[in-house]
Order: sequence, then structure tokens, then C-alpha cells
Amino acid sequence: QVQLVESGGGVVQPGRSLRLSCAVSGFTFSIYAMHWVRQAPDKGLEWVAVISSDGSNKQYADSVKGRFTISRDNSKNTLNLQMDSLRAEDTAVYYCARKWFYMDVWGKGTTVTVSS
Amino acid sequence: QSALTQPPSASGSPGESVTVSCTGSSSDIGGSNYVSWYQQHPGKAPKLLICEVNKRPSGVPDRFSGSKSGNTASLTVSGLQAEDEADYYCSSYAGSYNWVFGGGTKLTVL
Repeated sequence: QVQLVESGGGVVQPGRSLRLSCAVSGFTFSIYAMHWVRQAPDKGLEWVAVISSDGSNKQYADSVKGRFTISRDNSKNTLNLQMDSLRAEDTAVYYCARKWFYMDVWGKGTTVTVSS
Repeated sequence: QSALTQPPSASGSPGESVTVSCTGSSSDIGGSNYVSWYQQHPGKAPKLLICEVNKRPSGVPDRFSGSKSGNTASLTVSGLQAEDEADYYCSSYAGSYNWVFGGGTKLTVL
């Protein structure tokens, strides 16, 4: 069945880096665009980044532009999010989600806490 | 990338209908056919309820319906059931590879 599993979350100090991954199964990963969406504690959803099916097009929310990098490895069915220069306000559950114009399948999320 | 505006809360009794609004601008909802709605139960991942303004993915009950007028989208839940108690988020493609979410509405079934 279609499955997205995020990993890589944890506690990190401000200014440090963290790399999230999303392993997918149950569908042809290489034909789908993918998103990262985050949710700060007791807050709403915030779109973070998108990558096209072949990785040629990427876009980021203003809040993470220049600090986060989205990438994918279609040979390994894996989506990544490299997060640099982390700030306290990046603390959130990070979800990966499938498809371009809307997100039809979501992972369960991985928690990132930025704290000294 | 301003967030879409949703009422923070809504409520209804079992069997009733409730409508949740989502207001944006001509740059997002008003100019997009890609308005979607998501349901999120506490501690769970969001689930797609409505896509492309008014389309229901397979498996979503027909009690859930979506519409749009101008810069405002709406989600209507008919025949409220206890399991519909959750947070609901709207989202819109805003062009130029950008997406925006609403702040969320907590639906309480009385």
C-alpha cells in the first residue's frame, strides 16, 4: 500500500543542521512531485517546499528560503530536506506529502526541536 | 505568502450541517482551481478530504463537500457525526510554485 515514512528528526541547537528523509513505497515515486509541510506545536499547517517529479524544479516558502534544501533520489525512492541555520521557530512536526497541486498522501511526520 | 483566513472554531450537533469558510485573495483562491481541504485528528497526519475545489478522493464520504465563490472557499459537512470532530485546513495553489494553508478550524460536535 502507499506509504510515506519520515525520519531524521530530533533535538538540535540553534544554528546547527539537520537532514530529514522520507522513504516512500507502494507507488511509482519518480512520477510524483513531493512536498514538505510542517506544523509547529499547537499551530496550523505551513507549506515548506516542493520538488518536481524529476527534481528539476524546486520552490521554498519565504520563511526557509536560503536555509533549507529539498532534494530527491528517484533510484532510492527517497525525498530529503536539508535544514541549515536552524532557528527556534523551525521547531515543528515535518510531514512529507505527495502530488503537485494538492497533497493526496501524507506521512506520519517527524519531530524537529530547535533548542539550546 | 499570507495564510488563508479560517474561523478558529465551528460547531454543530449530530445530524446537522456545518460550513467552514476559507478566505484568500485573487492571487490564491480567487485565481486557482486547486483549492483543497484536509482533516486532522489530534496527533495524526492530515488527510485529504476535498481537492480541486469540490472533488472527493475515493473513500471520502459524500457528507463532505466543497465549493468556491470569488476569493472564498467553503467546506460543508452534512449529517455531522462524532468522528467528524477534528481540525480542518484549507489550502490553495497560489501560482509560481507556491502553496498556502489556512490557519485551521476546530470543529466540535456538540
